Amino acid sequence: DTEVTQTPKHLVMGMTNKKSLKCEQHMGHRAMYWYKQKAKKPPELMFVYSYEKLSINESVPSRFSPECPNSSLLNLHLHALQPEDSALYLCASSPGTPGAPLHFGNGTRLTVT
Amino acid sequence: GIQVEQSPPDLILQEGANSTLRCNFSDSVNNLQWFHQNPWGQLINLFYIPSGTKQNGRLSATTVATERYSLLYISSSQTTDSGVYFCAVSTDKLIFGTGTRLQVFP
Repeated sequence: DTEVTQTPKHLVMGMTNKKSLKCEQHMGHRAMYWYKQKAKKPPELMFVYSYEKLSINESVPSRFSPECPNSSLLNLHLHALQPEDSALYLCASSPGTPGAPLHFGNGTRLTVT
Repeated sequence: GIQVEQSPPDLILQEGANSTLRCNFSDSVNNLQWFHQNPWGQLINLFYIPSGTKQNGRLSATTVATERYSLLYISSSQTTDSGVYFCAVSTDKLIFGTGTRLQVFP
């Protein structure tokens, strides 16, 4: 069982909807990550939070809005998405030291209709 | 940015066969991880291996950081080994390689 929990497992939303993806870890990790993975492609980094502050934004469109309420929780707020945003969204955490290994959740499979 | 290439892109094996997967990276890195992504999308940590050799059951990995490559060995493959294998390297962020899709048939 993964130590990084993501909810929901599946999400179908319309282009006018607002929804949120949630991620939780209780390993005491201080860095958390959002990755996006399209079919038959490797995961691509979207955002990094380090010690609850946004440290990396890989030029992600503003219709994706991350939030880190505390060191254990990471949210991704979704608004006005496009069908091409349909993908597997993966959350990860790490201790936060350079080069430390990442631990991934099971992902949320998002479909935008 | 750093480039991470994996070979072969696709691999088909019969159960019981051995295989070697390769990961080449274009610059110095802090760390290298190997992951297995199963058909349901779960990314499972296999190895955290910035250098040297590690073994875990039928799997082993070797990273030669000075020559910028890593190898993943799978021995006596099983159908449950099917999926996609990714290496990922970290500088200031974790970058995934192109992946090797493995299919193991009984």
